[in-house]
Amino acid sequence: DGGITQSPKYLFRKEGQNVTLSCEQNLNHDAMYWYRQDPGQGLRLIYYSQIVNDFQKGDIAEGYSVSREKKESFPLTVTSAQKNPTAFYLCASSIDFGSAEAFFGQGTRLTVV
Amino acid sequence: GQSLEQPSEVTAVEGAIVQINCTYQTSGFYGLSWYQQHDGGAPTFLSYNALDGLEETGRFSSFLSRSDSYGYLLLQELQMKDSASYFCAVRNQGGKLIFGQGTELSVKP
Repeated sequence: DGGITQSPKYLFRKEGQNVTLSCEQNLNHDAMYWYRQDPGQGLRLIYYSQIVNDFQKGDIAEGYSVSREKKESFPLTVTSAQKNPTAFYLCASSIDFGSAEAFFGQGTRLTVV
Repeated sequence: GQSLEQPSEVTAVEGAIVQINCTYQTSGFYGLSWYQQHDGGAPTFLSYNALDGLEETGRFSSFLSRSDSYGYLLLQELQMKDSASYFCAVRNQGGKLIFGQGTELSVKP
């Protein structure tokens, strides 16, 4: 079955450590996105990629980094520079950057202690 | 800048009709989408409007007025399972997909 997979579902890290969240899709989509969601809040765009080997900063990119070396993969690294990393992280993909519909993974809930 | 405004919460009873409004401000506009998210889950796509007018998909309809930078999601024959958060989202000319803060819909018996 085609879809978008995020792993792990829950992640705990100590303060000051970098952590990488995985996002893989087998939908053959060109565009991929990372969002952060805080309790009771909307989705805020961290980074997005319109095509492999290219990515752009979203609205809250500080303290995060990404790579897009393969079409199907768009990992997000939460660095120690991110002041408040505890959040629910959602990865999404769409056929291309102009597509109406985005498909979301099940999310990773990151807790930094 | 770019922003989307929608009510934070709406309450309705089973079987009723509810409308969730969304106003937007964005640099370039390529359409308004609506997503549903149940607590702790993945958002799922509901509908999309690129042009003015009403789009109907079963119990859900979505409307867009580009001149007013305004749209709404209409849910009919409400069911308990419709209790969820609903997000409007716009795609701008740079390819960004920007979401609103979400409207939490509570459906009561």
